[in-house]
Amino acid sequence: ETGVTQTPRHLVMGMTNKKSLKCEQHLGHNAMYWYKQSAKKPLELMFVYSLEERVENNSVPSRFSPECPNSSHLFLHLHTLQPEDSALYLCASSREPPGQPGDTQYFGPGTRLTVL
Amino acid sequence: GQQVMQIPQYQHVQEGEDFTTYCNSSTTLSNIQWYKQRPGGHPVFLIQLVKSGEVKKQKRLTFQFGEAKKNSSLHITATQTTDVGTYFCAVLKDTGRRALTFGSGTRLQVQP
Repeated sequence: ETGVTQTPRHLVMGMTNKKSLKCEQHLGHNAMYWYKQSAKKPLELMFVYSLEERVENNSVPSRFSPECPNSSHLFLHLHTLQPEDSALYLCASSREPPGQPGDTQYFGPGTRLTVL
Repeated sequence: GQQVMQIPQYQHVQEGEDFTTYCNSSTTLSNIQWYKQRPGGHPVFLIQLVKSGEVKKQKRLTFQFGEAKKNSSLHITATQTTDVGTYFCAVLKDTGRRALTFGSGTRLQVQP
């Protein structure tokens, strides 16, 4: 499946580093999402963008900063992370905004992030 | 806020046995979606249920939405090793914050 791609697939960073995760969807969808998946925890929704406008921010620490320059691209900028931020970060897209018919989510392969 | 409980957390079955996971909500749901995540993979959409009492089948998988639209189940008949993975339900959050809330998932292990 190549509908939603994420880079890098793996990332190791120190607590003082600044890095960015990239997501691209090739499905012509209108909504994009960032999720965090930690071991033994359910998928945690971080941010939702619908038609390039942020519509959901789930009390995420400011060390995570999303950017959606257009409907096909989504970034997650990281700075001064903590070891507990180590997780799998999943990007998803949906044809319609959440709550509308057609809001089925298509996930990317994820970025496995390790913070030392 | 919206609470979604998924049980069991983990199930280990012998190949050929049946498996069921349940998703329960504290409030009435508009719809429910089910996803499967293989080990090392990402969640993949399986199905969406919308109507009260709805039952949908995909080969050996049967999905059911409760009459009160507060619970749902996924049943797999005669499991195979390819069914291994974690099954998540996902529901729409409360009005005003419209985004999916995922259950904690049921991890299925199938012994050959």
